[in-house]
Amino acid sequence: TQLLEQSPQFLSIQEGENLTVYCNSSSVFSSLQWYRQEPGEGPVLLVTVVTGGEVKKLKRLTFQFGDARKDSSLHITAAQPGDTGLYLCAGSYSGGGADGLTFGKGTHLIIQP
Amino acid sequence: DTGVSQDPRHKITKRGQNVTFRCDPISEHNRLYWYRQTLGQGPEFLTYFQNEAQLEKSRLLSDRFSAERPKGSFSTLEIQRTEQGDSAMYLCASSDRKYNSPLHFGNGTRLTVT
Repeated sequence: TQLLEQSPQFLSIQEGENLTVYCNSSSVFSSLQWYRQEPGEGPVLLVTVVTGGEVKKLKRLTFQFGDARKDSSLHITAAQPGDTGLYLCAGSYSGGGADGLTFGKGTHLIIQP
Repeated sequence: DTGVSQDPRHKITKRGQNVTFRCDPISEHNRLYWYRQTLGQGPEFLTYFQNEAQLEKSRLLSDRFSAERPKGSFSTLEIQRTEQGDSAMYLCASSDRKYNSPLHFGNGTRLTVT
């Protein structure tokens, strides 16, 4: 069984602070996706990373794919209450099929005003 | 953009009853997936279809679970003889066939088995 471990599991910080959450596996991903999920809704894609060492920015969010394609991080600068949610990473091991897309348990993020 | 729609949004049933959920994917997407998500966990893969063909089933999908996508458009997920452990959010997602295509999720059906 291929496992994706996300840390921390829970994070509560004040508005304006920076934070980083992590996604790790012992297996190599062909690609990795980050999703954000709000209560009562389905996950929504934030970004897909494919190349080892790749860095992608989405406004105040910076995503990095590890050189060995086994890990990824999400850094949020100047967090805002609207960033509150469950952040999920999902790794593809087979290069595109749904059978290879495995989700981590997520990081529950709360940004307090 | 109509998105992925799921029906019903909530379902409460008694143990032992059968339930059926429906998913309407984004119309141009030929891949459709079912996931299950319990409180505090990430989504767990159950099964997926490419057009009308069911290509993969997780071992999480016991013989009480069956999914269909008869015309390659909408899909149904049926759970027979429900158990309390079946209580969860059942998520449907769709995607196209491009490499590394993202999944577009519906808002799920929350099942509570009493």
